[in-house]
Amino acid sequence: NAGVTQTPKFQVLKTGQSMTLQCAQDMNHNSMYWYRQDPGMGLRLIYYSASEGTTDKGEVPNGYNVSRLNKREFSLRLESAAPSQTSVYFCASSEGSGTAVTGAFFGQGTRLTVV
Amino acid sequence: AQSVTQPDIHITVSEGASLELRCNYSYGATPYLFWYVQSPGQGLQLLLKYFSGDTLVQGIKGFEAEFKRSQSSFNLRKPSVHWSDAAEYFCAVDPTGGGNKLTFGTGTQLKVEL
Repeated sequence: NAGVTQTPKFQVLKTGQSMTLQCAQDMNHNSMYWYRQDPGMGLRLIYYSASEGTTDKGEVPNGYNVSRLNKREFSLRLESAAPSQTSVYFCASSEGSGTAVTGAFFGQGTRLTVV
Repeated sequence: AQSVTQPDIHITVSEGASLELRCNYSYGATPYLFWYVQSPGQGLQLLLKYFSGDTLVQGIKGFEAEFKRSQSSFNLRKPSVHWSDAAEYFCAVDPTGGGNKLTFGTGTQLKVEL
């Protein structure tokens, strides 16, 4: 089972460049998320999509945009990369609410360096 | 402010010893609680979750966690640690109950001595 697939796995950008991180899940989950992980700070939610066609800001949305292309795919775009966006980015998906919540399933991460 | 605290940044245990990783949360009501494990260079894997009911929950890989409302805690335990358990462990909460907005603790790095 593929689960949650992120591309690329590694990326180096120059300050001011743009790029899109891709994420796809094959579990038919309604909810998808983008997190960033920085040393000593755990994971912080950037954006999430509770269902196809909806997106909402998380804790640290500045400098990012997202697109929920369809139920499977949720992309994260950096329009003008900054060194502060150097991080490891994780996409995740989940299903259900209440006692049916699955918990989030994570991709392998994208390690982004902005120089 | 609402928060999740993992007070131990690093823990070292000997293989075969017992393990307890601490997690405290600060929310008005009982949130949905999760423990995740992250091996080096990997994504996060769900170990266990608690929503309601029995306060002792069993997870994968021999882990369990106990919810204590009076202490606002959800500590992770394992009776006998294996070398392969060396990883980083994250506690997470979802106060909304919808599974949509997890707030993570800063993680505890576990080292296992052989």
